[in-house]
Amino acid sequence: KAGVTQTPRYLIKTRGQQVTLSCSPISGHRSVSWYQQTPGQGLQFLFEYFSETQRNKGNFPGRFSGRQFSNSRSEMNVSTLELGDSALYLCASSFAPQGGQETQYFGPGTRLLVL
Amino acid sequence: AQTVTQSQPEMSVQEAETVTLSCTYDTSESNYYLFWYKQPPSRQMILVIRQEAYKQQNATENRFSVNFQKAAKSFSLKISDSQLGDTAMYFCAFTTNAGKSTFGDGTTLTVKP
Repeated sequence: KAGVTQTPRYLIKTRGQQVTLSCSPISGHRSVSWYQQTPGQGLQFLFEYFSETQRNKGNFPGRFSGRQFSNSRSEMNVSTLELGDSALYLCASSFAPQGGQETQYFGPGTRLLVL
Repeated sequence: AQTVTQSQPEMSVQEAETVTLSCTYDTSESNYYLFWYKQPPSRQMILVIRQEAYKQQNATENRFSVNFQKAAKSFSLKISDSQLGDTAMYFCAFTTNAGKSTFGDGTTLTVKP
């Protein structure tokens, strides 16, 4: 099976702009989680989608949003970008019909730089 | 709320030796799952080992094993016969039964030849 793919791999934006990141999970996986990784804050959970519904949410402002499509592909959107949004954004997928018992498989990440 | 603490920001070990990475967590949940992930310089996060909280037996995966102490809320990772390819950042993670994950800040492990 192909692994988790994320596009784009690198992105440069300026403050105030918005950005959309995409994640394609492993075939058959129905859960997609998003994480923000920064040197200072480590790995922070953004949200998790399962069957097109947000099932879990981290402690991020409303500028961070996501959605999941019927084919399980997920997008994450960040509006009104701030310098502090510069980070590696990781997507992880799992089968997970019952939540946390499944192993998450991570994509290579999208590195976002906000200038 | 769940918290995961990795008290060792950096560690080093000589090739072929054994090293133990520490992880403690705090939760009020009774059923949950614990994971160790490895992130090499390529940044690709890879699962090392997982442990179900309801299982008393410690998980083992080749050279990797855990010491799971549920009462102490401790979940350490032991790497035996360390190899140069083990050089990476290691993250301890906690996932609730509902699927919400919390990661520790990571431990950077360097294996020296």
